[in-house]
Amino acid sequence: KAGVTQTPRYLIKTRGQQVTLSCSPISGHRSVSWYQQTPGQGLQFLFEYFSETQRNKGNFPGRFSGRQFSNSRSEMNVSTLELGDSALYLCASSPDLGQGLAQRYFGPGTRLTVT
Amino acid sequence: QQQVKQSPQSLIVQKGGISIINCAYENTAFDYFPWYQQFPGKGPALLIAIRPDVSEKKEGRFTISFNKSAKQFSLHIMDSQPGDSATYFCAASKGQAGTALIFGKGTTLSVSS
Repeated sequence: KAGVTQTPRYLIKTRGQQVTLSCSPISGHRSVSWYQQTPGQGLQFLFEYFSETQRNKGNFPGRFSGRQFSNSRSEMNVSTLELGDSALYLCASSPDLGQGLAQRYFGPGTRLTVT
Repeated sequence: QQQVKQSPQSLIVQKGGISIINCAYENTAFDYFPWYQQFPGKGPALLIAIRPDVSEKKEGRFTISFNKSAKQFSLHIMDSQPGDSATYFCAASKGQAGTALIFGKGTTLSVSS
């Protein structure tokens, strides 16, 4: 099975711009979650989607949003970019059932640099 | 109560030695404890996970030890190899659908040959 794929892998944006990141989960996985990874704060939960509905949200400002499509693919959007948004954005997919209920499989991430 | 504290921050081990990384949690509602391995430029890879109904789980050279009363768990890497050099993260969650993984700050392991 192919793993979680994320596009683009690298992105450079300017303060004030907006950005959209894309994630395709492992085939058959029904939920997708997003995490931000920075050297200072580590890995922090952004939000999780299941069946096109946001099921959980972390403690991030409203500039961070996401959505999930009927094929389980997900996008996250960051509006009005700030320098502090520079980070590795990781998408994780989960089988979301049975023994795999809690398992999260991460993609390679999108490295966002805000200048 | 949501924190997961991980130590040490960095670790240097000789090839063939045992690497030990420790984590402690506060929220007794957590019931799923995975460990992730991350290489530079890659996403975290699920290494091994445990639930609190067992005190130990072993997969190959990797073992999780779990102490429910102390709210601590640890990763042991036996016969450490240079290829094990990576950053390791412990995490915890409630193990239910839709719950977030709460991560430790990570441990950078270097295995010297």
